Amino acid sequence: DTGVSQNPRHKITKRGQNVTFRCDPISEHNRLYWYRQTLGQGPEFLTYFQNEAQLEKSRLLSDRFSAERPKGSFSTLEIQRTEQGDSAMYLCASSHGTGIYEQYFGPGTRLTVT
Amino acid sequence: QKEVEQDPGPLSVPEGAIVSLNCTYSNSAFQYFMWYRQYSRKGPELLMYTYSSGNKEDGRFTAQVDKSSKYISLFIRDSQPSDSATYLCATNRDDKIIFGKGTRLHILP
Repeated sequence: DTGVSQNPRHKITKRGQNVTFRCDPISEHNRLYWYRQTLGQGPEFLTYFQNEAQLEKSRLLSDRFSAERPKGSFSTLEIQRTEQGDSAMYLCASSHGTGIYEQYFGPGTRLTVT
Repeated sequence: QKEVEQDPGPLSVPEGAIVSLNCTYSNSAFQYFMWYRQYSRKGPELLMYTYSSGNKEDGRFTAQVDKSSKYISLFIRDSQPSDSATYLCATNRDDKIIFGKGTRLHILP
């Protein structure tokens, strides 16, 4: 197993377009988290899943954002009608169990909205 | 007031020096305290975590938590150029990690 993977690594899109990112967690990790990191800031929590259930969403996750984890394996994060303020690094993390320190992060998807 | 405050730096030190990185936090209910290292264009990597107060050592790295002053520290001994990265302190609220802004560290050869 090679860790958490995210695709694509980079995405450039025009304002108003929809984008979708994918995260493949470490196998058998039942929890999957999405964070967003803007330049010069630490990652900020967006949402997380336990298996296929989405347990919590941050206020940062406007109604233009939707995340899914069908079958409790990979997850997708979709942003509809992108805005320039959505430009950021989107990070995925996974964990096995509930140890808060056991979240392993992927390399991120860097989104640029022009 | 942000929940975790961290000076963004940058901090430049010569190779071999002892590095001290610090954060403060606002909520005395926080229990786990973590330090992550993030290289440019990579995801954060967990370095160390501590539970409640006290010290924890791992090789050249020592993490300290002082709950009475709500102060978190990371010390790096014998710093190496490969230690150049952004260091993020973090704590947890329920199942979420709350990160500081990160401190950019440059180790000068």
